[in-house]
Amino acid sequence: GENVEQHPSTLSVQEGDSAVIKCTYSDSASNYFPWYKQELGKRPQLIIDIRSNVGEKKDQRIAVTLNKTAKHFSLHITETQPEDSAVYFCAASIDYQLIWGAGTKLIIKP
Amino acid sequence: DAGITQSPRHKVTETGTPVTLRCHQTENHRYMYWYRQDPGHGLRLIHYSYGVKDTDKGEVSDGYSVSRSKTEDFLLTLESATSSQTSVYFCAISPLGRLGEAEAFFGQGTRLTVV
Repeated sequence: GENVEQHPSTLSVQEGDSAVIKCTYSDSASNYFPWYKQELGKRPQLIIDIRSNVGEKKDQRIAVTLNKTAKHFSLHITETQPEDSAVYFCAASIDYQLIWGAGTKLIIKP
Repeated sequence: DAGITQSPRHKVTETGTPVTLRCHQTENHRYMYWYRQDPGHGLRLIHYSYGVKDTDKGEVSDGYSVSRSKTEDFLLTLESATSSQTSVYFCAISPLGRLGEAEAFFGQGTRLTVV
């Protein structure tokens, strides 16, 4: 079936450094790619999304890039801060539903 | 919180008993969803609804049923709970369109333990 692979499963970075999380998807018809952040014990919340007609999107310290040919997209967080510690999920649309990656636990070391 | 609440927040139940989880929204949005979240699996869609009495199965629907008799309430029922259904359950709405094209807003989650 359709799937989304997300890597790495855990990422530990020094505060102030950059973090990159990568996802690949299988359905070439996917056209919507959101990223959600879930803090411990909380609900997932959208942090940024991108559509297939756009190659890159930025929002302050967060950016997402999309390579439709290779069928992968990435989340970039610059100047990481303690409040960036969370689990991050990518997803790809298929037939007006979302297929989710398994999540990346981002640890920010002081 | 986008006006979406789940109840109960925590529940422990015995194997073989029926369990119903409730999702309530205050804005009369059309699209509602039930997900389960398990370590290593991300979020998996159980059932979804596009309106009153309009529901359909997601990727992990076996053992679950849903009902939506009012726009504001979307109920998830485990007909006969099993230990494999121990999970965190999230309800979601997508006010601006279907999930494959618009942002989802999640409830606080229900932690269900089947013993």
